[in-house]
Amino acid sequence: SYELTQPSSVSVSPGQTARITCSGDVLAKKYARWFQQKPGQAPVLVIYKDSERPSGIPERFSGSSSGTTVTLTISGAQVEDEADYYCYSATDNNWVFGGGTKLTVL
Amino acid sequence: EVQLVESGGGLIQPGGSLRLSCAASGFTVSNNYVSWVRQAPGKGLEWVSIIYSGGSTYYADSVKGRFTISRDNSKNTLYLQMNSLRAEDTAVYYCRSWELLSGMDVWGQGTTVTVSS
Repeated sequence: SYELTQPSSVSVSPGQTARITCSGDVLAKKYARWFQQKPGQAPVLVIYKDSERPSGIPERFSGSSSGTTVTLTISGAQVEDEADYYCYSATDNNWVFGGGTKLTVL
Repeated sequence: EVQLVESGGGLIQPGGSLRLSCAASGFTVSNNYVSWVRQAPGKGLEWVSIIYSGGSTYYADSVKGRFTISRDNSKNTLYLQMNSLRAEDTAVYYCRSWELLSGMDVWGQGTTVTVSS
């Protein structure tokens, strides 16, 4: 098995840029996805194929990739963006979520 | 509307069995990847199992040999048969259907499984 490593928490003020990283060897070869999860709700996809944004996701959400690290960037974070964020990828049919990052916007 | 609805969760004693169901509407599950993901209380997301459109199945090490994923194409429904349940299997179980290279990624609302005596 393998791991995807995320910081446990990130904190920004409203309007600032939040960056959440996810590291793992598999990310050099496989695409990553990012999910947002708010308390009591199912996860929602915010980024796929490292940097693609699904329809309906605000433009302030973006993704990037460099080597074994992918980054979720929220430009001009809003209070409603406060949530847990998880990266997700796979190798050899073994799918893994990162440990999750709690984003605080206040 | 694209939707997944899980059912079958509940309270079960250690060593018992439970079968979760996930009914799809608005799309055909056999055309996509479909998987089960769980979340223990206060913890992060954990991938449990996947069934590919071609029918191949894979499992996390934590459930291999105890859980079985399957689908009924005629009912457009996904299942998770869970045997030899342990306390550490206590979680909200989500079903999920998605496409590898697109933004299509649908989740159910989750069903709670509690393993306790």
